[in-house]
Amino acid sequence: AQSVTQPDARVTVSEGASLQLRCKYSSSGTPYLFWYVQYPRQGLQLLLKYYSGDPVVQGVNGFEAEFSKSNSSFHLRKASVHWSDSAVYFCVLSAGTGGYKVVFGSGTRLLVSP
Amino acid sequence: GPKVLQIPSHQIIDMGQMVTLNCDPVSNHLYFYWYKQILGQQMEFLVNFYNGKVMEKSKLFKDQFSVERPDGSYFTLKIQPTALEDSAVYFCASSLWGGAEQYFGPGTRLTVL
Repeated sequence: AQSVTQPDARVTVSEGASLQLRCKYSSSGTPYLFWYVQYPRQGLQLLLKYYSGDPVVQGVNGFEAEFSKSNSSFHLRKASVHWSDSAVYFCVLSAGTGGYKVVFGSGTRLLVSP
Repeated sequence: GPKVLQIPSHQIIDMGQMVTLNCDPVSNHLYFYWYKQILGQQMEFLVNFYNGKVMEKSKLFKDQFSVERPDGSYFTLKIQPTALEDSAVYFCASSLWGGAEQYFGPGTRLTVL
């Protein structure tokens, strides 16, 4: 069975501070992992993706994520957040090549305070 | 980047009526998806579609739901008849291959009265 857990429903950080949003996954096969961001009243935008190779992947707007097979995790990080980063972030798991099943985490609402 | 379009942006209908939500996916993509999101809540997978067939569907994809993409045109989600609990934002997405990153449309807000 496949699942994605985002344990933090809400995270508040100060502008300029560092950020980590947690994601744990469970997959019977090779996981393909993604982070998406959803701004208010908009669709989802892809931040970054991991298929294989270097476990640290770089994304847009200074975001990066680290894949850990041993910890079954794919945490999202950013060195210095901006107020415009306030949004909902989803961690997503795909079953891999030819896989049709896509599982979303419950999302983490990030609020960046001035 | 690649764009997915959804028409209409907002639809209001009476319970029991039929509604069709339209999605114009990225032109060379082969896999298509529908998701349901109730305001402020989780994104729920409904169905994915490839080569003219439903590949996988969730429990939320009730018998009243159907999808099709006739002749490579719009990818549609039809609900017939609608129920109050169908009120939500429906997002369409497409990907180049199964398991690849998906590109999402802006959503259609469906209100069933």
